[in-house]
Amino acid sequence: AQSVTQLDSQVPVFEEAPVELRCNYSSSVSVYLFWYVQYPNQGLQLLLKYLSGSTLVKGINGFEAEFNKSQTSFHLRKPSVHISDTAEYFCAVSFTGGGNKLTFGTGTQLKVEL
Amino acid sequence: DTEVTQTPKHLVMGMTNKKSLKCEQHMGHRAMYWYKQKAKKPPELMFVYSYEKLSINESVPSRFSPECPNSSLLNLHLHALQPEDSALYLCASSRLTSGGITYEQYFGPGTRLTVT
Repeated sequence: AQSVTQLDSQVPVFEEAPVELRCNYSSSVSVYLFWYVQYPNQGLQLLLKYLSGSTLVKGINGFEAEFNKSQTSFHLRKPSVHISDTAEYFCAVSFTGGGNKLTFGTGTQLKVEL
Repeated sequence: DTEVTQTPKHLVMGMTNKKSLKCEQHMGHRAMYWYKQKAKKPPELMFVYSYEKLSINESVPSRFSPECPNSSLLNLHLHALQPEDSALYLCASSRLTSGGITYEQYFGPGTRLTVT
C-alpha cells in the first residue's frame, strides 16, 4: 500500500538553529513529492516540490529538501530557523496511477523558541 | 500568479440553513479540489473536478453538493449540515496530467465553517 509517514508530530528548536523535518513514503511506483506549510488559520502554501531531475530541491523561505529514492525519503531542512517559521508542515506525495490525489503525512508542528 | 481565492473567510450556519462556499483561480488549471480539514489534521479530499466534470467523490454525504460552473470557479453548496461538519474547507487547483499522477496543488486560504 502507498503511504506517507511523518514520524515527528512536534519538533521544538531554538531560533537560528538548523532543523530537519522527516518524511518517508512507501511506494512501488514513481512519485512526485511536495512539502507544504500551514500557518494558523490559513491555507496550505507550497514550500517546494520534486518532480524529476536534481534530487536536491530548493524552495521558498530558505528551505530545501533531498529526494532519496533508496531510502524512500524526502526530508525538509533549513540551516537557520526564525521565529516566523513556527507552523505546521505537511509532506505530500502523488503516486503514479493515483489519479488527481495527494496523500498527506500527518504533519509536523515546528515550534521555534527564543 | 499562484493565487486561489475563497469566500467567505468565515461562515456560521444553523443546521437548517443553506449556504455556499466559493472558490476561484485564474491560473488556467483544469483540476479543482475541495478538502475538509479538522484541527491538527491533514486535509481530507472531498471532491475533484477535471475539465469541469466531477471525477472523484470520496463518499461525501449528500448534504455537501459541489458545482463547477466554469474552468475558473468551484462552489460547494451546503444544506442541513451537522455540528461535526464544522471545519476549515479548503479549495485547491492544479494542472492536469495524462499519466495518472497529479502535479503540485495550490490552495486557497480556506473558509472556517461553524455549524450550530
